[in-house]
Parts: sequence; structure tokens; C-alpha cells
Amino acid sequence: QSALTQPASVSGSPGQSITISCTGTSSDVRAYNYVSWYQQHPGKAPKLIIYDVSNRPSGISNRFSGSKSGSTASLTISGLQSEDEADYYCSLYTTKEVFGGGTKLTVL
Amino acid sequence: QVTLRESGPALVKPTQTLTLTCTFSGFSLSTSGMCVSWIRQPPGKALEWLARIDWDDDKYYSTSLKTRLSISKDTSKNQVVLTLSNMDPVDTATYYCARLYCTSITCYFDYWGQGILVTVSS
Repeated sequence: QSALTQPASVSGSPGQSITISCTGTSSDVRAYNYVSWYQQHPGKAPKLIIYDVSNRPSGISNRFSGSKSGSTASLTISGLQSEDEADYYCSLYTTKEVFGGGTKLTVL
Repeated sequence: QVTLRESGPALVKPTQTLTLTCTFSGFSLSTSGMCVSWIRQPPGKALEWLARIDWDDDKYYSTSLKTRLSISKDTSKNQVVLTLSNMDPVDTATYYCARLYCTSITCYFDYWGQGILVTVSS
């Protein structure tokens, strides 16, 4: 199972929207809807924010949304807030799990 | 309330075998759909999935590390144990255990432990 590709960093100003991409091969991301996204603040464990491409767990702000097109899944954060500054990881489950390389979000 | 907690040594020497225990509560690993995975994160680097054990005792390993990894469970104690042999300084990382929740239509890591930093040094 190959790794998922994410941009190393993205940035945005408070109130803006940003999108983080997660690209796999045609045999994984395209074929499966088991894409999830995790937020990780420094020194903390990852936290689930999106599962099954676009579903939010209870308690997660609707400013976080997910989508998928072909081999690329995306996480969009709207109305950026300072507390959104963190690392974000996508993950794909097939028989095994794989994570993307992570994206550092900077809120300017 | 689901919780997971990792325990084990903070420091191991090169060539030694690392043994980590994940003690969890709030669910049973004998319940269909419940799985526990180990994931690690070297300082400043990305998450890396290592291994998973399922409610039916199926086991899965990272392809790159499978010759060094072993995972097991003790359902009566609510524990999952990971061993990683022949430790090297590049294995220095924070090791997490996480519950993988699966149904017929979904799978995702919904709960994570706090992580344990393991340093490999002589």
C-alpha cells in the first residue's frame, strides 16, 4: 500500500478558507471511501475530524469539510481560526492503513 | 468512555527488543468491528502505521517492518502488546495505540492514546 501525498504546508489568514489535498493511486483513494482526516496540535495525539471522506464526528465544527474527486481527497477548513493551526494528516483504510505525509497549516 | 494508554520503556538500547503495552477501557476487543492499531511518529515527522489486531485475532503488519513486528492481545486484560525487535536509533519515535472502529461500511481511528516517546540510544 503506497503512501498518500499531501502538500508539506499551507497557510491562510483568519476568516479565509484553505484546502489540503491528499493524493493516492488509482487503486486506493479512487476505489475506497475509507478516507479520514486527523488534526494534530504540537505535543498532542491526533484527533479525528473527518471520516468516510466527508463525515464529521460529533463535536467537530462544520467549518471542517471533506470531499473526494478521483484519486484525490481534500480537506477544506473555512473561516480559519488561530486554533486551526496544526498538522493535518489524511489516512486510508483498505486491508491495512496508510497515512499521508502531513500538512502544516499556518494561520497568518 | 473510551480511553487508551501506552506503557513501556522510554529508553532502549540498539539491538534490543521493544515491548509496548496498550491498555484500554470502554470497549472490548472481542466485539465485532473493534481493532487496535499501533502508529508511530519520529520527532518532527509524519505518522507511520505499524500494525493492527482485530477482534477476531487477525493481524496485519507494515510491509517494511513486518519481519521485526509482532502484535498480540489479551482480551481479559483489555491489553494489546506490540514488540519491535532489533531496535535502531531511527526507531526513535512517539508510539501511539489507537482504536480502529469498523462497521460494514466504514473504518476510522476514533480514539487515540496520549503516546509514549521511545528513544533508542546506547
